[in-house]
Amino acid sequence: DTGVSQDPRHKITKRGQNVTFRCDPISEHNRLYWYRQTLGQGPEFLTYFQNEAQLEKSRLLSDRFSAERPKGSFSTLEIQRTEQGDSAMYLCASSPTGGAEPQHFGDGTRLSIL
Amino acid sequence: GQQLNQSPQSMFIQEGEDVSMNCTSSSIFNTWLWYKQDPGEGPVLLIALYKAGELTSNGRLTAQFGITRKDSFLNISASIPSDVGIYFCAGQGGTYKYIFGTGTRLKVLA
Repeated sequence: DTGVSQDPRHKITKRGQNVTFRCDPISEHNRLYWYRQTLGQGPEFLTYFQNEAQLEKSRLLSDRFSAERPKGSFSTLEIQRTEQGDSAMYLCASSPTGGAEPQHFGDGTRLSIL
Repeated sequence: GQQLNQSPQSMFIQEGEDVSMNCTSSSIFNTWLWYKQDPGEGPVLLIALYKAGELTSNGRLTAQFGITRKDSFLNISASIPSDVGIYFCAGQGGTYKYIFGTGTRLKVLA
């Protein structure tokens, strides 16, 4: 069990550019979650997958955001035409299927928009 | 987005003191989780609670699932400097997503 892995850890980009983050969940965890965390706040839910199916999306996930989990293993989160307000920590978490299993988080990708 | 209310927002305590914090919701939850987050890292799970009234310990940490199912409490006994960090509660209701609290920032004075 190597834990949830996120890449890159930091991303600095200019406004208007596209960025993509990757999350590798804990092996055999069927559920995968994306959260956004801004300074001084708790994580805010963006979306979650059960295997390859995206089962719920937050209203925070505008049409510039897209998440995929094509083979039910790793997931990507893409932000198109980045804006200043997208600057945040993007956290990924995973959990096994079965009742209310708790989520385990990665260390996040910190996005800074210039 | 929706966030749960945590209290206190921040606190300074002396090493060796006990700490109490709580989390409240306007909705009923089926599961409560408590996490600790250090700067630049992701939240680390401390305690999970699954039943109203449940009291669970993890070392010096004890958490309780409120009987109304709308609140939860976390206590830290005999605090040490490494307890410094931000503590988040998270609640889960009818779906598989968790709603997080606003956080309690703990600072321990040696």
